[in-house]
Amino acid sequence: GESVGLHLPTLSVQEGDNSIINCAYSNSASDYFIWYKQESGKGPQFIIDIRSNMDKRQGQRVTVLLNKTVKHLSLQIAATQPGDSAVYFCAENKGGGADGLTFGKGTHLIIQP
Amino acid sequence: NAGVTQTPKFQVLKTGQSMTLQCAQDMNHEYMSWYRQDPGMGLRLIHYSVGAGITDQGEVPNGYNVSRSTTEDFPLRLLSAAPSQTSVYFCASSYLGREKLFFGSGTQLSVL
Repeated sequence: GESVGLHLPTLSVQEGDNSIINCAYSNSASDYFIWYKQESGKGPQFIIDIRSNMDKRQGQRVTVLLNKTVKHLSLQIAATQPGDSAVYFCAENKGGGADGLTFGKGTHLIIQP
Repeated sequence: NAGVTQTPKFQVLKTGQSMTLQCAQDMNHEYMSWYRQDPGMGLRLIHYSVGAGITDQGEVPNGYNVSRSTTEDFPLRLLSAAPSQTSVYFCASSYLGREKLFFGSGTQLSVL
């Protein structure tokens, strides 16, 4: 079946560096993508989203890039801080007006001091 | 601003017992859903509802029942708990089901 996946289960970065978390999707009909952050023992928290008619969207210290040609989504976190340590999930909708989001398996971002 | 509230936070059951996980939201969202999260599996959709009186199955519905009598509440019922249902359960809601979901803090369930 179609699914959203992430390239790396764990990503380790130095504090202050930029982090890039990648995600591949396979559903060409998806027209909405979203990134969540999940800290240990908590529910997923919204970070940023993007529609398929956009290539890039920026938030506070975060940028999401969408490459529809290769079905690739990335989350960039600038100047990574200890509080950024968490599991990051990408998700896509099913397109065509259908309800529901499909989630990837997640990338654990580890911040090295 | 409460958002999505789940109870209980932790629960231990014996095989064969039944229970209901509660979920309530105060954002007047039409769409509500239940996910389970297992190590290495990400979030998998159990059941969802697009409005009061309407429910549908997700990816992993077996062993679970839901109902939606009000816009605010969406309880998840385990009919006869099995060890395979040991997981963390999240309730989520949104205005439009195909866009941003707001999650509760989760219920950690262990079935012995």
